[in-house]
Amino acid sequence: SQQGEEDPQALSIQEGENATMNCSYKTSINNLQWYRQNSGRGLVHLILIRSNEREKHSGRLRVTLDTSKKSSSLLITASRAADTASYFCATGTGNQFYFGTGTSLTVIP
Amino acid sequence: DGGITQSPKYLFRKEGQNVTLSCEQNLNHDAMYWYRQDPGQGLRLIYYSQIVNDFQKGDIAEGYSVSREKKESFPLTVTSAQKNPTAFYLCASSIVSSGNTIYFGEGSWLTVV
Repeated sequence: SQQGEEDPQALSIQEGENATMNCSYKTSINNLQWYRQNSGRGLVHLILIRSNEREKHSGRLRVTLDTSKKSSSLLITASRAADTASYFCATGTGNQFYFGTGTSLTVIP
Repeated sequence: DGGITQSPKYLFRKEGQNVTLSCEQNLNHDAMYWYRQDPGQGLRLIYYSQIVNDFQKGDIAEGYSVSREKKESFPLTVTSAQKNPTAFYLCASSIVSSGNTIYFGEGSWLTVV
């Protein structure tokens, strides 16, 4: 399977703290994307990083990519209760997308 | 509004029945996908289609069938051959190019009763 794996599986932090989650994958990729899923809903795209990029920012999100280690991290700074959700990484080659197992983030007010 | 519409949101299936989940998109995307998500788990690819009248099996296609007669529509049939169909099903679409974003519908819950 080409499915990635997020780590940790679950994370609980206080509001205002930073949250970091990691993604490891197995095959060569063209890009890596992070998605968010609120309970019982569809996934929402957060950020895409291409294989020739090492770091990317979007608002309170920072994504890094290390293709030599086949890993990526997502940092959410100054977390809010509304950030409570599951976060998934997805790796893409061509038009196939493979999703990781997700990190469940709980931000405590 | 542009987007992906899945219906029904909740569906109950009796043993031995086939059921069809609808997925419609008005984003003019060529590629469409079906994923299955089990509670607390990641997404697994069932089928995908990059163009009308063509589709490919994903990792867990057994017990499922699809059609792509129109660009906007990609219905998924869960057949009686699928022994454990209770799950959350997600439809998605994207443009056909490198580095594209995939857009999701709100999902359909299927329960076997």
